[in-house]
This record gives sequence, structure tokens and C-alpha cells, in this order.
Amino acid sequence: GAGVSQSPSNKVTEKGKDVELRCDPISGHTALYWYRQRLGQGLEFLIYFQGNSAPDKSGLPSDRFSAERTGESVSTLTIQRTQQEDSAVYLCASSLDGRGYTFGSGTRLTVV
Amino acid sequence: GESVGLHLPTLSVQEGDNSIINCAYSNSASDYFIWYKQESGKGPQFIIDIRSNMDKRQGQRVTVLLNKTVKHLSLQIAATQPGDSAVYFCAENRGYSTLTFGKGTMLLVSP
Repeated sequence: GAGVSQSPSNKVTEKGKDVELRCDPISGHTALYWYRQRLGQGLEFLIYFQGNSAPDKSGLPSDRFSAERTGESVSTLTIQRTQQEDSAVYLCASSLDGRGYTFGSGTRLTVV
Repeated sequence: GESVGLHLPTLSVQEGDNSIINCAYSNSASDYFIWYKQESGKGPQFIIDIRSNMDKRQGQRVTVLLNKTVKHLSLQIAATQPGDSAVYFCAENRGYSTLTFGKGTMLLVSP
């Protein structure tokens, strides 16, 4: 597609439920990134996929967080047993050369 | 600038003024720097980038200055417009490592 697409744009879930967030990167972009942005804060790195290499999971805050990517296309970020501190905007970005990132509009997650 | 708790540093300017947004980066080995603009409810949008072998780069109405000696990056916006109101983030990386983002500065432009 023309840009990075994320769905849903908004998600409200009850504490303890699992959620799945989706990212469709720009076609041909081999690198895909997930970041978390809490209200009024900067972007916190979560996970990075590059082609068929093993993902860099060094930013995942706990084992409740996981992500998958199918080839060089769609990625899903899963949060299990959601907690209130998981409430944030989850941003996905893709890149052709690992330098300039193109971001999606994010998924705003609210855990109640 | 530095963040104070949950509150972003804010720069308030009048329409037509020039704006300067500052960023102190953390890694002296970083060789690539980007400025992003984030409007409310949207993802960050690329504005301008600069490599470490340069100290100045100009775009349309924007200029980025890099001072590697003191690890300082600035974004200058000429003739600021209300549409420039947003949060601005600097980001850095080295090689093809993941971008590390600064805490952001909110720019408010009054008509």
C-alpha cells in the first residue's frame, strides 16, 4: 500500500484480556518496527523485524508481549493478560533501508 | 530540551516567527539523525535528516544543525505557521540499529 496501515485504530479492552494489533507495512519494506508511546511521552522501542533474520526483541517489556511477522508483510503484536499500564498508543513503522522510518497512525489501546 | 515528569517542554511562538527546537542526543557513536513531527492522533512524520559528516542541512523552511562536540541537534523552522503546531522528536541511530527517540517538544503557534 501507499503507507503503513494499522488496525484497529482504537481498542478498549478489559484488564486481563488478550489483544492483537495489526500492522501492514509499505510493500517492499524489509524492516518493520513496533514502538509504544505513552501519553505525553516519547517513543519506546519494542521489537524489530528485518527480512528473514531473527527479530530483535530487546525492547519487549515482559513475556506478555510477543510479535510475529509473516515474511516481509503483515505483523501482529499480541499482548496477553493486559494490564492498565499497557494503555498507550502502539506505533508500527517500516523502512526500506533501516534509516528513514515511515510510521502508521497507531493503535490507541485503553485497558479498563 | 529535557522533559519534566509527564509534561513535554513547550515552545510557544507567534505566526511568522522563526522557531528553534533543541535536542540533546545520548550516543556519541550515532551517525544519523532525524527530526519527526507528530500531530495529534497521528504517527510521526519525517521532516529532515542529517548524517554525522555534516553540520547543517536545509530543507523547505526547515534547517537542522548538528553539533557533535556537545551532542546537540536543533531544528529551525522559518516563518512558523499554525500548521506547524505539533510535537517534534529527534531520533538517532548508528549504522542500521533501531532509532532511539528523544522525549519530544511541543510547538504551539498562535495566529
